[in-house]
Amino acid sequence: GAVVSQHPSWVICKSGTSVKIECRSLDFQATTMFWYRQFPKQSLMLMATSNEGSKATYEQGVEKDKFLINHASLTLSTLTVTSAHPEDSSFYICSAMVGNTIYFGEGSWLTVV
Amino acid sequence: GIQVEQSPPDLILQEGANSTLRCNFSDSVNNLQWFHQNPWGQLINLFYIPSGTKQNGRLSATTVATERYSLLYISSSQTTDSGVYFCAAGGSNYKLTFGKGTLLTVNP
Repeated sequence: GAVVSQHPSWVICKSGTSVKIECRSLDFQATTMFWYRQFPKQSLMLMATSNEGSKATYEQGVEKDKFLINHASLTLSTLTVTSAHPEDSSFYICSAMVGNTIYFGEGSWLTVV
Repeated sequence: GIQVEQSPPDLILQEGANSTLRCNFSDSVNNLQWFHQNPWGQLINLFYIPSGTKQNGRLSATTVATERYSLLYISSSQTTDSGVYFCAAGGSNYKLTFGKGTLLTVNP
């Protein structure tokens, strides 16, 4: 199947700093990628739809100025958590579609201290 | 938006047992998928099944779109089947709404 890779897998950052998470489609081109957030023992919540070459579409309640999404190429989307705070600590997962099948990255655990 | 409900929330099995997980969705969907999330967080797509029945080894799934539910069957469960099983549904825009999942624990 298609491969979606995320980096980093784990990141710890200080409160007030920014952190960037990368999502790459390794063996296919993805015009659309999705970013999800998952709190411990909870479900996945869609944050935004990342569209190559255009602005991301954010879900209601997601701060676009805090969670910056860039999809500059057909194989790379990035999520930058700006001015991170402890409440931003979470598991962030990206996904891309190939046909009707969705493939997820490995996820990135963010801890803000 | 679409509402997705999964049951049961937790399930404990002895190795070798069979189980059925259920997913109810609130509206007609073009996309219905089942995923398994392992203890390390990795999500694996199990089935794309907006309607009908599919089988893959010990797993099979059935979606009855007219009645807005889907079932995931696990037969002869193994300890490696442990994890969270998510059902996700969506319309034509490919945005998926996830259920809260079923936490499956298979004991040896």
